Amino acid sequence: SQQGEEDPQALSIQEGENATMNCSYKTSINNLQWYRQNSGRGLVHLILIRSNEREKHSGRLRVTLDTSKKSSSLLITASRAADTASYFCATVHYNNAGNMLTFGGGTRLMVKP
Amino acid sequence: DVKVTQSSRYLVKRTGEKVFLECVQDMDHENMFWYRQDPGLGLRLIYFSYDVKMKEKGDIPEGYSVSREKKERFSLILESASTNQTSMYLCASSQPVVGAGFFGPGTRLTVL
Repeated sequence: SQQGEEDPQALSIQEGENATMNCSYKTSINNLQWYRQNSGRGLVHLILIRSNEREKHSGRLRVTLDTSKKSSSLLITASRAADTASYFCATVHYNNAGNMLTFGGGTRLMVKP
Repeated sequence: DVKVTQSSRYLVKRTGEKVFLECVQDMDHENMFWYRQDPGLGLRLIYFSYDVKMKEKGDIPEGYSVSREKKERFSLILESASTNQTSMYLCASSQPVVGAGFFGPGTRLTVL
């Protein structure tokens, strides 16, 4: 079963607006990561937040983590058409044999020029 | 430039064939992962490996096996391909305790 679930599944906004995507997960984690995927391509790592961190920034990206609610959010500020992609959250958690990196279903973001 | 490469971008095989998908990373990472990606289902973990000759099942290992004889190479094997294994297959590697994952470009496998 998937560890993370993103919400919404799809999001359409105008260029310049902010985009917020949410992720919920089920078990205790070591860290949580956000990835971006352009259509038909591999995933690109965006940002990693550790379980003892609450907020992290990278350029126009802001990630928050609430371990008590087992949830995270990704905010993209001042969106651009080039931000159009699918965004995935992934959690790292220990599973008896080793640390697993498991993904949610993703949010498809469309930014209209 | 760090890299994860996959042996093929596109592959077409027939039902019952044995299929090998290879993944090579040049970052000296201990952890390597195989996922399949299907529309509406996101990425699902098939197998992962945290060391040479070590392998662990992910969420959907049925119908697959893996091999990790060398640190840089992680192979996914479909012993007898079936049509429901038509999918995009993605390989990734990361440092211990799973830092940022680096992904290959993916292999789109079609089983006829």
